[in-house]
Amino acid sequence: EDKVVQSPLSLVVHEGDTVTLNCSYEVTNFRSLLWYKQEKKAPTFLFMLTSSGIEKKSGRLSSILDKKELFSILNITATQTGDSAVYLCAVSIQGAQKLVFGQGTRLTINP
Amino acid sequence: DAGITQSPRHKVTETGTPVTLRCHQTENHRYMYWYRQDPGHGLRLIHYSYGVKDTDKGEVSDGYSVSRSKTEDFLLTLESATSSQTSVYFCAISATGSSYEQYFGPGTRLTVT
Repeated sequence: EDKVVQSPLSLVVHEGDTVTLNCSYEVTNFRSLLWYKQEKKAPTFLFMLTSSGIEKKSGRLSSILDKKELFSILNITATQTGDSAVYLCAVSIQGAQKLVFGQGTRLTINP
Repeated sequence: DAGITQSPRHKVTETGTPVTLRCHQTENHRYMYWYRQDPGHGLRLIHYSYGVKDTDKGEVSDGYSVSRSKTEDFLLTLESATSSQTSVYFCAISATGSSYEQYFGPGTRLTVT
């Protein structure tokens, strides 16, 4: 069974801290890994990763994929209260029209 | 933002009644998906469509049916709602399939009493 596991499930930090969110997966026929941010509404797309070792970066957010060890991390530096959200990791399966999502990490940034 | 709307946005219904949720897109994307989101489970795929009248099951399809008679509309029907179907339902669209980013609608909060 395809499985995506995120850790931690919940994280509370102070504004300005750096955080690392983890996503590990066990799937047949991996195609890509995606990160989404979900505030009190629909998930919004952050990154798609397909190759190992190539960092994707957008402002203070960055992500990298390790296809050998089957995990990805999402880093957020100099966190702000607006970064508070649930961060979802999903894996796309080759030959199958679906994304398998992890449970999400709820990140809370305190001022 | 991608042009996706869902209706209704909130609904309370009684056990045993039929319910239909609508997803409408203005992007002309080929692929459309229905997910449910529950605490501790993330998003789980119910059904998806890869074209008009072309649909397939996801991982939690029992108790749900779908229809797509037009590119822009994807309907999710609960034939006889149960309390276990209380959830937030998200529609998503994709131009080229799941390996590319999916854009999500605003969600429908359904409560079955």
